[in-house]
Amino acid sequence: GESVGLHLPTLSVQEGDNSIINCAYSNSASDYFIWYKQESGKGPQFIIDIRSNMDKRQGQRVTVLLNKTVKHLSLQIAATQPGDSAVYFCAVLMNSGGYQKVTFGTGTKLQVIP
Amino acid sequence: EPEVTQTPSHQVTQMGQEVILRCVPISNHLYFYWYRQILGQKVEFLVSFYNNEISEKSEIFDDQFSVERPDGSNFTLKIRSTKLEDSAMYFCASRGTSGAQETQYFGPGTRLLVL
Repeated sequence: GESVGLHLPTLSVQEGDNSIINCAYSNSASDYFIWYKQESGKGPQFIIDIRSNMDKRQGQRVTVLLNKTVKHLSLQIAATQPGDSAVYFCAVLMNSGGYQKVTFGTGTKLQVIP
Repeated sequence: EPEVTQTPSHQVTQMGQEVILRCVPISNHLYFYWYRQILGQKVEFLVSFYNNEISEKSEIFDDQFSVERPDGSNFTLKIRSTKLEDSAMYFCASRGTSGAQETQYFGPGTRLLVL
């Protein structure tokens, strides 16, 4: 099966600093990974994704790193802003038997200190 | 920016009643999903839908649940006989290509409270 875990439940970061949020997964057959941001009372918002044939992908102020050797995924947010305060969670997807299985992490709460 | 919409935003129902949650996915998307999130817990996958049929479902999606795409725009989740433990936020999502990227978008959710 697939289990997805996060290393830290809460991360407090000073405004302007960089944030790193981690995610570990267990199934090496997982081939697609997504980071979501969820603000209080709102639905998840897609941030960035990466496929297993890549080890790094950059977006606007965000970078996702994938280490398939240790089955670890990280989200880096540059110059963290108060608006980045939210719960961030990863989703790990795998094609299995023609279907797609998706497992979500429990989330890390990012608190940005102004 | 395209968006997934869901109605109603809140639904209160008595245990044992049927509820239908509605979603309008992004128009050119082909994959549709329902998820739920019990208060304070992680998002859980319920079901995925492609080509007018269920492509994957989780153990949560038992016989009390069903999905339907009755027309070209709506995607519904029906719970036949609600239980107290069905109280949760239900999110619809659709996935497709936006620009050069395949992306999944979530709707704002329907908060279901079963009394």
